[in-house]
Amino acid sequence: RKEVEQDPGPFNVPEGATVAFNCTYSNSASQSFFWYRQDCRKEPKLLMSVYSSGNEDGRFTAQLNRASQYISLLIRDSKLSDSATYLCVVTTTDSWGKLQFGAGTQVVVTP
Amino acid sequence: NAGVTQTPKFQVLKTGQSMTLQCAQDMNHNSMYWYRQDPGMGLRLIYYSASEGTTDKGEVPNGYNVSRLNKREFSLRLESAAPSQTSVYFCASSGQSYGYTFGSGTRLTVV
Repeated sequence: RKEVEQDPGPFNVPEGATVAFNCTYSNSASQSFFWYRQDCRKEPKLLMSVYSSGNEDGRFTAQLNRASQYISLLIRDSKLSDSATYLCVVTTTDSWGKLQFGAGTQVVVTP
Repeated sequence: NAGVTQTPKFQVLKTGQSMTLQCAQDMNHNSMYWYRQDPGMGLRLIYYSASEGTTDKGEVPNGYNVSRLNKREFSLRLESAAPSQTSVYFCASSGQSYGYTFGSGTRLTVV
């Protein structure tokens, strides 16, 4: 079983709509959580960290559910420029600095 | 611009050939990493260096060697390339926080 699992998608979203997707992790010792964004044939870039109480960054909202071991990302008012692959990333208490990456969820925003 | 620089961007090798992928960062980060990314697999850690002078194996180290030349530079060597090493390779660095900065990647094809 993969340590971090994501629905690969694609999630086809009309411009202006809301899209949400989850990521599950298997290691209960996971401590820190992140969402990275990766554009086609480019390097991953940090989108946002995920805090226990949930957090927002503009149109993006991240949630953490430790009991069920998943994190979520919600994108409101989707823009064409939001089209990308979103990578779920976790790290554990005994692996400082070593991030575990999910395979990514592809989002395609259509006009 | 500050960041992580990887060379080369593209490379085609014949089976059995050797090559070194170069990576340099100018952010004074202590930790550096080499990942490979394959379709549907997510990024997998090959080797990492928590600080200058130390290197450790990651999830998929077989067939690779690394050298942390100094604080700035972390190279990845393929001694005898195999078709299974066809992949996109990313170098990354991190400082006190968990956020990674990635290089733009090396697309390697082994024929």
